[in-house]
Amino acid sequence: QKEVEQNSGPLSVPEGAIASLNCTYSDRGSQSFFWYRQYSGKSPELIMFIYSNGDKEDGRFTAQLNKASQYVSLLIRDSQPSDSATYLCAVIDGGYQKVTFGTGTKLQVIP
Amino acid sequence: DTAVSQTPKYLVTQMGNDKSIKCEQNLGHDTMYWYKQDSKKFLKIMFSYNNKELIINETVPNRFSPKSPDKAHLNLHINSLELGDSAVYFCASSPRGEKLFFGSGTQLSVL
Repeated sequence: QKEVEQNSGPLSVPEGAIASLNCTYSDRGSQSFFWYRQYSGKSPELIMFIYSNGDKEDGRFTAQLNKASQYVSLLIRDSQPSDSATYLCAVIDGGYQKVTFGTGTKLQVIP
Repeated sequence: DTAVSQTPKYLVTQMGNDKSIKCEQNLGHDTMYWYKQDSKKFLKIMFSYNNKELIINETVPNRFSPKSPDKAHLNLHINSLELGDSAVYFCASSPRGEKLFFGSGTQLSVL
């Protein structure tokens, strides 16, 4: 069973701090890695994707990938209360192009 | 215009009934999916179609039957509904089976 694991949280950070969200995956053949944000009662929306080892930055968001450790993370700088949501890590395997989601980490940004 | 639209948004029904959820995307994507999100927010893939052809069929009871009349539409029919089917069902589409664009979800409640 190929798995994607995340700490369910809640992760609480003060406004303006850096939020660090982590994800590990079991399938070494995984090719592509994504972070989705889901507000309560809404559908998931894609916020970051990363394919290669290293960091990828987009505004206040940075995705980090370490394939050797099978680890992907999302950093949110200058966290805002509007960032409070559940963050879902998703991984595409190298075979059937199936997108497997983690269980999500709930982030709470305290004003 | 809504990119991925699914109807209905809410579905309340009795055990044993048969119901359908419809999904349409106007993004021109080749791949469409059905995901089920349980009360713990875990998103689990059910089915995936590429250009009307079924490519992913996870371990789902055969009471669930997807149908794709064309690549812009993917419907889900559920026979003999059970209490455990209560969940939010998300339709999604994707170009080349990677980044997912989700519909707004259908909250199914089986009484």
